[in-house]
Amino acid sequence: NAGVTQTPKFQVLKTGQSMTLQCAQDMNHEYMSWYRQDPGMGLRLIHYSVGAGITDQGEVPNGYNVSRSTTEDFPLRLLSAAPSQTSVYFCASSYYLLDTGELFFGEGSRLTVL
Amino acid sequence: GESVGLHLPTLSVQEGDNSIINCAYSNSASDYFIWYKQESGKGPQFIIDIRSNMDKRQGQRVTVLLNKTVKHLSLQIAATQPGDSAVYFCAENHQPGGYQKVTFGTGTKLQVIP
Repeated sequence: NAGVTQTPKFQVLKTGQSMTLQCAQDMNHEYMSWYRQDPGMGLRLIHYSVGAGITDQGEVPNGYNVSRSTTEDFPLRLLSAAPSQTSVYFCASSYYLLDTGELFFGEGSRLTVL
Repeated sequence: GESVGLHLPTLSVQEGDNSIINCAYSNSASDYFIWYKQESGKGPQFIIDIRSNMDKRQGQRVTVLLNKTVKHLSLQIAATQPGDSAVYFCAENHQPGGYQKVTFGTGTKLQVIP
């Protein structure tokens, strides 16, 4: 099983450039989310989606856009990269109205903005 | 000077001993409390969760205790093994109106001494 797949695994950008981090899941999960992980700060929620066409902001949404056109895919867009966006990004998914706390995570995308 | 938050609290445990990792949470309305394990270079992996109306839950070699009076959560790992070395995160899953909002703590690094 592929689970949650993130691409690319590594990316270096210059300030002001744009890019999209891809996330795909093959578990038919309604809920998908993006987190960023910075040293010593745990994971912080950027955006999440509870189904196709429905997205909402998390704790740190500024500088990021998302869309959810299909159940499987949830791309994260950086419109104008800044050094403060240097981080490791994780995509996670689960069933909606989950009767547990479990999220399924991808392996992460490490982004460096120069 | 040293920046706050860059260094994870570390717990060093002798192989074979029991480990106890503690976490303080903030949201009394959270529906689930969860423990995740993150190995170096990988995404977080679900270990165990506990519903807010429970005090204790046991899994294979792991036990989670919830003390709602003092908003405290702990993870006990029995007979700690080298493969348990990782960063452990507690998380809260709040489900207002069915939407999931998972908030993570900053993590504790577990080092197992052979």
